[in-house]
Amino acid sequence: DAKTTQPNSMESNEEEPVHLPCNHSTISGTDYIHWYRQLPSQGPEYVIHGLTSNVNNRMASLAIAEDRKSSTLILHRATLRDAAVYYCIPMYSGGGADGLTFGKGTHLIIQP
Amino acid sequence: KAGVTQTPRYLIKTRGQQVTLSCSPISGHRSVSWYQQTPGQGLQFLFEYFSETQRNKGNFPGRFSGRQFSNSRSEMNVSTLELGDSALYLCASSPATVFATLTYNEQFFGPGTRLTVL
Repeated sequence: DAKTTQPNSMESNEEEPVHLPCNHSTISGTDYIHWYRQLPSQGPEYVIHGLTSNVNNRMASLAIAEDRKSSTLILHRATLRDAAVYYCIPMYSGGGADGLTFGKGTHLIIQP
Repeated sequence: KAGVTQTPRYLIKTRGQQVTLSCSPISGHRSVSWYQQTPGQGLQFLFEYFSETQRNKGNFPGRFSGRQFSNSRSEMNVSTLELGDSALYLCASSPATVFATLTYNEQFFGPGTRLTVL
């Protein structure tokens, strides 16, 4: 089962890029890497997911290492609204409950 | 499209009672998952239902059960409540299919039901 390691918290300034790291050294070749975030007093919100190559959407970019043992969520220009807890989850292609554990995530603080 | 709705939003129960929480997924979604969130344990997976069948189950005692109806609406039940069951219970729906499971699809979360056990 893939286990993830994320920093407990990170701090960044508004309008600057933010790089949120995640280590998932035991990920298997067919597991997708998902990122969610949770704003205060809300349910989690999907951010992005990918398998091997880098992925982009309107919210963020996901850079996946060539060996897939780590990934980085990139917020290109942070705003105060991006202050949230960010979760990195390797989703097991074979299903199973462990692949659906969100863990503690990274608490991102944005300074104005 | 309307989002995921959960009822009730807040609930207060006493130890030993049972509780039923309800979730209405996004129209067209057949996969519904339930999560428990507490400050100490974070966000933990309870179970996933797809087309009225439980497809995945987390490591929770049998007091936690669920079901899904033919219209994809889902309910979660907790019997013999304990103080430690106080938590935010989140429901998520997904366009996941029989073959394209949660691995390949995003989940859309509801606002949650805040359960307090006294």
